[in-house]
Amino acid sequence: DGGITQSPKYLFRKEGQNVTLSCEQNLNHDAMYWYRQDPGQGLRLIYYSQIVNDFQKGDIAEGYSVSREKKESFPLTVTSAQKNPTAFYLCASSMGAFRWLEAFFGQGTRLTVV
Amino acid sequence: GQQVMQIPQYQHVQEGEDFTTYCNSSTTLSNIQWYKQRPGGHPVFLIQLVKSGEVKKQKRLTFQFGEAKKNSSLHITATQTTDVGTYFCAEYNNNDMRFGAGTRLTVKP
Repeated sequence: DGGITQSPKYLFRKEGQNVTLSCEQNLNHDAMYWYRQDPGQGLRLIYYSQIVNDFQKGDIAEGYSVSREKKESFPLTVTSAQKNPTAFYLCASSMGAFRWLEAFFGQGTRLTVV
Repeated sequence: GQQVMQIPQYQHVQEGEDFTTYCNSSTTLSNIQWYKQRPGGHPVFLIQLVKSGEVKKQKRLTFQFGEAKKNSSLHITATQTTDVGTYFCAEYNNNDMRFGAGTRLTVKP
């Protein structure tokens, strides 16, 4: 089945540690996005990528890093510089680069700092 | 970045009542999308509006795009408990996609 997969579903991190969230899609989509959602809040854009080897900062990129070495993969690293990383992280993809088409979301990863 | 403003933040209705959520922008939107997120779930695409004054219907859901393409609305007729969730509008701007804050709908049986 085609789709977008995020792993793990739940993740616990100790303060001061970096952690990487996985996002993989087999939809052959060009564009991929990372969002952060806090309880009862909307989605805030962290990073996005329209093509391989290129990505742009969103509204809240500080303390996060990404890579786009392959079309199907867009991992997000939450670094120790992110002061309040506990949140629900959503990855999305859409078909066309630099085109606005329906976005498909993964199931999300709930990150908790302990 | 530019972000659409969405109201209300919360709406609680009795089952069978209607519900409407609004998205407003200070600038002209090229197009707008609507998504639904069930509690504990992820956003799911509902529809995209592109043309000025466009109206689209999906069963009990009616979507409108303003004549000036600066606002949009989602109206649900005769809500059901299955309509519970948060409804988001999203705009595409400068090759990124940004969401409104969402309207959380609860329905009392």
